[in-house]
Amino acid sequence: QVQLQESGPGLVKPSETLSLTCTVSGGSVSNGTYYWSWIRQPPGKGLEWIAYFYHSGSTSYNPSLKSRVTISVDTSKNQFSLKLSSVTAADTAVYYCARSPLGIKWGAAVVLGLDYWGQGTLVTVSS
Amino acid sequence: EIVLTQSPATLSVSPGERATLSCRASQSVSSNLAWYQQEPGQAPRLLIYGASTRATGIPARFSGSGSGTEFTLTISSLQSEDFAVYYCQQYTNRPPWTFGQGTKVEMK
Repeated sequence: QVQLQESGPGLVKPSETLSLTCTVSGGSVSNGTYYWSWIRQPPGKGLEWIAYFYHSGSTSYNPSLKSRVTISVDTSKNQFSLKLSSVTAADTAVYYCARSPLGIKWGAAVVLGLDYWGQGTLVTVSS
Repeated sequence: EIVLTQSPATLSVSPGERATLSCRASQSVSSNLAWYQQEPGQAPRLLIYGASTRATGIPARFSGSGSGTEFTLTISSLQSEDFAVYYCQQYTNRPPWTFGQGTKVEMK
């Protein structure tokens, strides 16, 4: 059974860098048939996709956050991480990590949704 | 950025009734659309991907339809555990991936 678990500080000061790690069990972040994403949800609001990476090293970022976000992977620990710099109160949210399986349709790779999610971790930006 | 607009914002339904949720995309996403259910304090759960394919373990009362810019999630006979917030999400190869603002299905 695949499980994802987010970890990191629950409180970050304004202007500092938010750092979170997602530990994957029951599957490998090196598996070429998945994208691995970060998504966030401000309290009482909707979902916002932040970024994903693929085992080949390719990454994709939400343009609204791209200048402040870095996603990386540690295959030896089967983990991937998120860094969000220069945070403000607007970055207060529950942060989720999630997996996207890839399938083949008409000879091309297609995403099959976000099938496994971590439980989420609340990060509050406050002094 | 592709904007997804869900309607209605809130849907009041009695148990056993049918619920129909709508998701409209600002430009074509082909069939690259998923639906999720989120209960309070929980992570979203994948219900439908590819616009119409049920995810593993999802009951048959959940069905998805549509392509291009118009999509529908139908819950054929609402059970007590189905009262939750539902989100659509597009995942074309033109990031960013985006979510709709959600539809809350509440008990009438």
